[in-house]
Amino acid sequence: KQEVTQIPAALSVPEGENLVLNCSFTDSAIYNLQWFRQDPGKGLTSLLLIQSSQREQTSGRLNASLDKSSGRSTLYIAASQPGDSATYLCAADTGANSKLTFGKGITLSVRP
Amino acid sequence: GAGVSQTPSNKVTEKGKYVELRCDPISGHTALYWYRQSLGQGPEFLIYFQGTGAADDSGLPNDRFFAVRPEGSVSTLKIQRTERGDSAVYLCASSFQGGGGYTFGSGTRLTVV
Repeated sequence: KQEVTQIPAALSVPEGENLVLNCSFTDSAIYNLQWFRQDPGKGLTSLLLIQSSQREQTSGRLNASLDKSSGRSTLYIAASQPGDSATYLCAADTGANSKLTFGKGITLSVRP
Repeated sequence: GAGVSQTPSNKVTEKGKYVELRCDPISGHTALYWYRQSLGQGPEFLIYFQGTGAADDSGLPNDRFFAVRPEGSVSTLKIQRTERGDSAVYLCASSFQGGGGYTFGSGTRLTVV
């Protein structure tokens, strides 16, 4: 059974810092790995999707990497801003009907 | 529609009552998913529809939970004899044919008192 872990549960950084959010998964037989953002009381917004054959994906100030063999993914946020404050969740798609297994998320606070 | 719409946004019900939660996916999306998110947790898979049929209902916790999608568009998640432990945010997502590219709705926050 796939398990996804995100540590730490919360992170607070000053504005402007570059930061890395970590995600680990136990079953390397994934179809893809996805990163989502969740604002309080809201649904999930898809940030980046990395297919199993890819190593990384970039969108603006965000870069996500995937290392299947070690069961790890990282989300890199460059030049963090207060508007980046949210919970970031990673999810592994094992390809069985494309259902996702989520981590618990990392709640990020960027201080002005 | 432009996004995935879920109604109601909030639902408070008494223990033992029956509730229905509605999801209106993006037009043309054949795949529809229900997830449940408890406080401080990531979403957990409940059920997946491809068209009108439930292709995978392995995440439904027990037989009090049931979902339908009769015309391959709108889906309703039904919970009988609600319990306090059912309190959570119920999220719906759709995608064109499955295989990634999810769009999530804003969820229904269910509180059982």
